[in-house]
Amino acid sequence: GESVGLHLPTLSVQEGDNSIINCAYSNSASDYFIWYKQESGKGPQFIIDIRSNMDKRQGQRVTVLLNKTVKHLSLQIAATQPGDSAVYFCAESGGGTSYGKLTFGQGTILTVHP
Amino acid sequence: NAGVMQNPRHLVRRRGQEARLRCSPMKGHSHVYWYRQLPEEGLKFMVYLQKENIIDESGMPKERFSAEFPKEGPSILRIQQVVRGDSAAYFCASSRADLSGNTIYFGEGSWLTVV
Repeated sequence: GESVGLHLPTLSVQEGDNSIINCAYSNSASDYFIWYKQESGKGPQFIIDIRSNMDKRQGQRVTVLLNKTVKHLSLQIAATQPGDSAVYFCAESGGGTSYGKLTFGQGTILTVHP
Repeated sequence: NAGVMQNPRHLVRRRGQEARLRCSPMKGHSHVYWYRQLPEEGLKFMVYLQKENIIDESGMPKERFSAEFPKEGPSILRIQQVVRGDSAAYFCASSRADLSGNTIYFGEGSWLTVV
């Protein structure tokens, strides 16, 4: 898709499809990872988190996968709905600093077409 | 079950004025974090506070910015002598403890516009 506005990666899907949003993190010592959803004019909304002693965690319609070997995190959204349209951020913490001191990824714009 | 409450939601200040942003953490949360989101950027950590203590201010600009979390009342982020570059969304987050796995919840943000 075309990157506009924030020059973020974009993902466009049809309603009902599954979405996969990827994130590469930098600090190999990070041990706690979170996905947030941010709609225009609102604050980040917690979606799901995972600790480094796990490689997969499932929630309602969402799954997070963690690959520590290549420092990669992904968010899978099943049966994507128009209300899922937003910017999605991964965040990492830990590794010797406070857990609330999150380092955010650049974000991905998800657009769901009816 | 109120979440993280921030006010004002929108604030307009002229260059040189002061901006005060307030944050009340979620009930039961004693750890507060402030983040800034500049246009076309992601969220960046500014400061981490507990009641009456600044724990980590490594993300705060050295001048004009200060933060406090008094024993009573909300946490305050104060920006003195604002400049156009301070225009941004300022988000407060809180957690129950600063431990792995303790969910960090964000407020809806305060949008500062400097004219």
